[in-house]
Amino acid sequence: GESVGLHLPTLSVQEGDNSIINCAYSNSASDYFIWYKQESGKGPQFIIDIRSNMDKRQGQRVTVLLNKTVKHLSLQIAATQPGDSAVYFCAENTSGYSTLTFGKGTMLLVSP
Amino acid sequence: DAGITQSPRHKVTETGTPVTLRCHQTENHRYMYWYRQDPGHGLRLIHYSYGVKDTDKGEVSDGYSVSRSKTEDFLLTLESATSSQTSVYFCAISDIAGGPTDTQYFGPGTRLTVL
Repeated sequence: GESVGLHLPTLSVQEGDNSIINCAYSNSASDYFIWYKQESGKGPQFIIDIRSNMDKRQGQRVTVLLNKTVKHLSLQIAATQPGDSAVYFCAENTSGYSTLTFGKGTMLLVSP
Repeated sequence: DAGITQSPRHKVTETGTPVTLRCHQTENHRYMYWYRQDPGHGLRLIHYSYGVKDTDKGEVSDGYSVSRSKTEDFLLTLESATSSQTSVYFCAISDIAGGPTDTQYFGPGTRLTVL
């Protein structure tokens, strides 16, 4: 089946900068998207989600943008902190299916 | 970790031995999932459950079986472990109200090494 495609580079930023992590998905029928953060040795942690009837959703220091035209999802982290260093990955769900499909992840490194 | 525990957290075993991993939740969520995570592959679904005694296969189910006799427990069994099953295994749950498309919450993981 189609799956989320996440660019896999390491993103290095300075503390205080804004970070943007991108995700491209290929299934136009996907209607629910989630961003997860995974720190070393821990399980994935929910950050924020968005449904396909929205273009933008904000949380605490995080914003998710959804562009359905180009099938693109992004996670913006404001004022990035060293504690934000982790692997971030997105997941998508397709209506009618009972499972999520996960991208492979992007490593975010924040330097003090 | 949203009221999810996994046991054991670490296990080393030998090829050909049976292994059972346990996931326990205190959230009364209907859906439970088992994933494995490997470098270069991300999270891949092994099996999932949508209720007591109701399970289905995921993307990489070969060599694995599951059981769910109670809402709170979901067991993953490797009948005869192989080195290719060396991995980190995660359990996840999702909310009954939202159904399977709702957010999945993950446990802390079990690191399994098959020698």
